[in-house]
Amino acid sequence: DVKVTQSSRYLVKRTGEKVFLECVQDMDHENMFWYRQDPGLGLRLIYFSYDVKMKEKGDIPEGYSVSREKKERFSLILESASTNQTSMYLCASSLIEGFGSIDQPQHFGDGTRLSIL
Amino acid sequence: TQLLEQSPQFLSIQEGENLTVYCNSSSVFSSLQWYRQEPGEGPVLLVTVVTGGEVKKLKRLTFQFGDARKDSSLHITAAQPGDTGLYLCAGAYSGAGSYQLTFGKGTKLSVIP
Repeated sequence: DVKVTQSSRYLVKRTGEKVFLECVQDMDHENMFWYRQDPGLGLRLIYFSYDVKMKEKGDIPEGYSVSREKKERFSLILESASTNQTSMYLCASSLIEGFGSIDQPQHFGDGTRLSIL
Repeated sequence: TQLLEQSPQFLSIQEGENLTVYCNSSSVFSSLQWYRQEPGEGPVLLVTVVTGGEVKKLKRLTFQFGDARKDSSLHITAAQPGDTGLYLCAGAYSGAGSYQLTFGKGTKLSVIP
């Protein structure tokens, strides 16, 4: 079974702090994704990566950055946390099988509930 | 960004009733995935539909992909309390370097015993 592990289930930080959310997958997946999930807004893509050291902006990248130094690890960084970044953050990974493979499911971690005070 | 409208947002029904959840878009998707999310967990894939008009069944759940690959539905027959959860549809499309998913906002289903 694919396992996507997020380092923290709950995290409380203060406004202005630099926050790191870590995600590790154990199935050698090429793709990794960071989403945030908010009531009434659903899942929104922040950043994704399809290879080591590659990153692409999603729909809401402002205030965030990412790092992918190793294939299995994808980190989300809040450069200077603000209260509007309080949310549930979900990491996911998926395979690429050949170019343009679009049926691969995304495998999600259990989420990090982040509160910014 | 390709939008996916999911309805209804909330659904509360009695055990044994039938229900349908809809996902609609003006965009064409290469495939449509349905996920279910339990409280405190990440979404888990239920099914992927790929071909226009395709129908897939998973026990009491029936998934349909529209002929034009712009919409999809999930029908649950004789709902059980164990069906309670958040149902998410997600449309797949080719993005930078790989494919991406755009998610509907979800349908929160409560099945009352």
